[in-house]
Amino acid sequence: GAVVSQHPSRVICKSGTSVKIECRSLDFQATTMFWYRQFPKQSLMLMATSNEGSKATYEQGVEKDKFLINHASLTLSTLTVTSAHPEDSSFYICSARLGDMRIHFGPGTRLTVT
Amino acid sequence: AQSVTQLDSQVPVFEEAPVELRCNYSSSVSVYLFWYVQYPNQGLQLLLKYLSGSTLVKGINGFEAEFNKSQTSFHLRKPSVHISDTAEYFCAVSETGGGADGLTFGKGTHLIIQP
Repeated sequence: GAVVSQHPSRVICKSGTSVKIECRSLDFQATTMFWYRQFPKQSLMLMATSNEGSKATYEQGVEKDKFLINHASLTLSTLTVTSAHPEDSSFYICSARLGDMRIHFGPGTRLTVT
Repeated sequence: AQSVTQLDSQVPVFEEAPVELRCNYSSSVSVYLFWYVQYPNQGLQLLLKYLSGSTLVKGINGFEAEFNKSQTSFHLRKPSVHISDTAEYFCAVSETGGGADGLTFGKGTHLIIQP
């Protein structure tokens, strides 16, 4: 089946530094990738939608200058958390769209900012 | 805009008993509905989805769900649960054809299986 990977699976960084999270579709080309954020014991909140070769579309309330999304190819999207702060600590999950309503989720990245 | 309500944040059930996890949605247009399971510190795994056709949808691990348009519900059921079913379950909805705009998730229901 279609597989989506994320790297790293968990990362700890110091406040003020930037962290890049990669989302890859391993065996298919994804025209659209999504980034979600999940706080402990809460639901997933859509942060942004990225389409290959174009700028990401951010959900209301998500700072585009803080959460930089690049979708450079049909198999790779990256989320960079710039100048991270402890309140950015969260579980970040990406998903990739293979076709109509075929959406596959990555395993998530646990970010801890100290 | 669509929304999803999962009425129970936590459901304790004895092993081998049946379970129903409730999900209601709100939307002004036709929707596509999903149930996902999340084990601790892991991503989401699709259990089943309703796109069209038969309102009774069968998924993996013995789960099934029934789409009820008049009640705007998509409850998840399993006739006999196992310890391994202990996890967080999320109901999700998409309004757009093809899922081009991402999914809207409910707050999740923690299914706790008691021996």
